[in-house]
Amino acid sequence: GENVEQHPSTLSVQEGDSAVIKCTYSDSASNYFPWYKQELGKGPQLIIDIRSNVGEKKDQRIAVTLNKTAKHFSLHITETQPEDSAVYFCAASRAGNTGNQFYFGTGTSLTVIP
Amino acid sequence: DSGVTQTPKHLITATGQRVTLRCSPRSGDLSVYWYQQSLDQGLQFLIQYYNGEERAKGNILERFSAQQFPDLHSELNLSSLELGDSALYFCASSVGERGNGYTFGSGTRLTVV
Repeated sequence: GENVEQHPSTLSVQEGDSAVIKCTYSDSASNYFPWYKQELGKGPQLIIDIRSNVGEKKDQRIAVTLNKTAKHFSLHITETQPEDSAVYFCAASRAGNTGNQFYFGTGTSLTVIP
Repeated sequence: DSGVTQTPKHLITATGQRVTLRCSPRSGDLSVYWYQQSLDQGLQFLIQYYNGEERAKGNILERFSAQQFPDLHSELNLSSLELGDSALYFCASSVGERGNGYTFGSGTRLTVV
């Protein structure tokens, strides 16, 4: 099955700086890569996603890049704000005839220091 | 509010007992997914239902079972509970069978004592 690795496990940045979280996956057939933000006491919330036919996607201060050859993808957050502090999860999936299971990374706890 | 409703929010029960967790998907979503989140295992996929039928199965224990009803709500049944079953259980939903970017509920925190 798919194996997703995520680094770093914790990340602290000063407000206004950029944060980068990296994930690798093992199954070359994976074709969809979402990123989720989980705040304390809440469920994961989708913040951005990318499909395998695209190399980069941006939404305001958040961007995701995908390198299919190397099987890795990254989340970039620019101009970080204290409200960006949360746990971020990457995931990989391959929607197929047997449904759509997400394989999640182990999470990155991001702290933005005011 | 994500639109996915999970009840109860918290549940404390003893080992050996059985509990039922409930999930109502977002309006219009036909797929329901169950995930277990524990400190040492992260988010682990348990099972997916689409329009009442099981579509995908992950690392779900035989002591666990689920179903999706005609009104599309789903229940996850956990029996013969062990201390190690203590975790957050999340439900998510999506429109299609192969839904991308599904929406998670706020979870049920299960504590087995």
